[in-house]
Formats: sequence, C-alpha cells, structure tokens
Amino acid sequence: DTAVSQTPKYLVTQMGNDKSIKCEQNLGHDTMYWYKQDSKKFLKIMFSYNNKELIINETVPNRFSPKSPDKAHLNLHINSLELGDSAVYFCASSQEGGDYGYTFGSGTRLTVV
Amino acid sequence: GESVGLHLPTLSVQEGDNSIINCAYSNSASDYFIWYKQESGKGPQFIIDIRSNMDKRQGQRVTVLLNKTVKHLSLQIAATQPGDSAVYFCAVGWTLTFGGGTRLMVKP
Repeated sequence: DTAVSQTPKYLVTQMGNDKSIKCEQNLGHDTMYWYKQDSKKFLKIMFSYNNKELIINETVPNRFSPKSPDKAHLNLHINSLELGDSAVYFCASSQEGGDYGYTFGSGTRLTVV
Repeated sequence: GESVGLHLPTLSVQEGDNSIINCAYSNSASDYFIWYKQESGKGPQFIIDIRSNMDKRQGQRVTVLLNKTVKHLSLQIAATQPGDSAVYFCAVGWTLTFGGGTRLMVKP
C-alpha cells in the first residue's frame, strides 16, 4: 500500500563504487523527483522527471543520473561515489495540477566510507 | 531564483500550547506554498498548502497564514501534542524550494 517506495533504506558502500537506489510510485502520478537531504536537514532537489522532460539541477554532479524505465519508476544511479555523497536521498512524486503537493518516500540513507 | 529561510531552528513548546513556525521567502512572484512535517527516519509529509490568491487556510488543528506584502508564511498548530514533534519545512513554488527546517519539540 506504500505510495512511494524506495530501496534500499540503508546503503553503506566504499568510495569509488557505483550504486543505484530504486524508487516506485503507485499513485499514477506523472512526475517523479529525487531530493538530497544533508546532515543539517536541508532538502535540495536533484532531478524532476516526467515522460516528457528531465530537469536537472545544474549543481548536481554528472556522476548522478536518473533512469526511468517507465512512468512509475525513477531510479538514481551514482558513479564513483565520494564521501560527500553521504546523505539521505528522497524520492517523491506529484501529479500536475493535483492537490496535496508531493508525496515522498521514506528515504535511503547512503553512507560512503 | 528563490530562497527560503526559517526564523528559528528549534522551537520548544508545552503540550497543549499553540505553536507558530515562521518562514520567509524571497521571490514575490511565488504563487504556491506548502508546509511539510518530517518525523525522524521518515520522509517529509504534506500538512497543508496555500495558493497566493489566499491569505489564510485552515486544516485540522493547523492554519497557514500568508503575507505576500512581507513575503512571510507561518504555520500555526493548535493544542500542540507530543506527536507533533518533528522538523517542519516550508516549501515554495511548484518545483518546491525548501527552507532549512524548524525542529518542534513538545514538552509533556
């Protein structure tokens, strides 16, 4: 019944590795997002994507790439992980013109060692 | 661009009291505002939103006030309960620029 689900919930990995975080929404929303939350709780958008357009925050390193196999999924792939990538990553979805803002997943805590 | 600030990083209130969390934004053209609540270990959860054609909107125990003149947004929580303890974010615009968060602590 979870509206926006992300896996894994926790991810610990070494510097230089490549990892992916998966996100699925069952709300029928047309747009999905990835947000990064740092240790000070600051939330910053990384990407927004619908079936028409990918919008990338220009401050996001190109080591990060979103991949959407279909409308209900938006995965986040990260190459050559760095210590500074450690954060909590949230997936979210919304419906254009809909109410109730965005629906967020429960987050993936990434720790790079 | 849009920047969003919160006046207090931590707010401590007594159970049963009313809480007020404030937020300032910079872009006078912003037309959509949302408050989110984030509990420990969870993602942000929608509380209430308001569009720029309104200056007040009420939900269950929550009220959002919008003052476009001074670009200020506030969230009022009536009869604050321990379950209200969380970090509260305001977000501005349809692409959600988030403020830095205010931690609300409710003392029993």
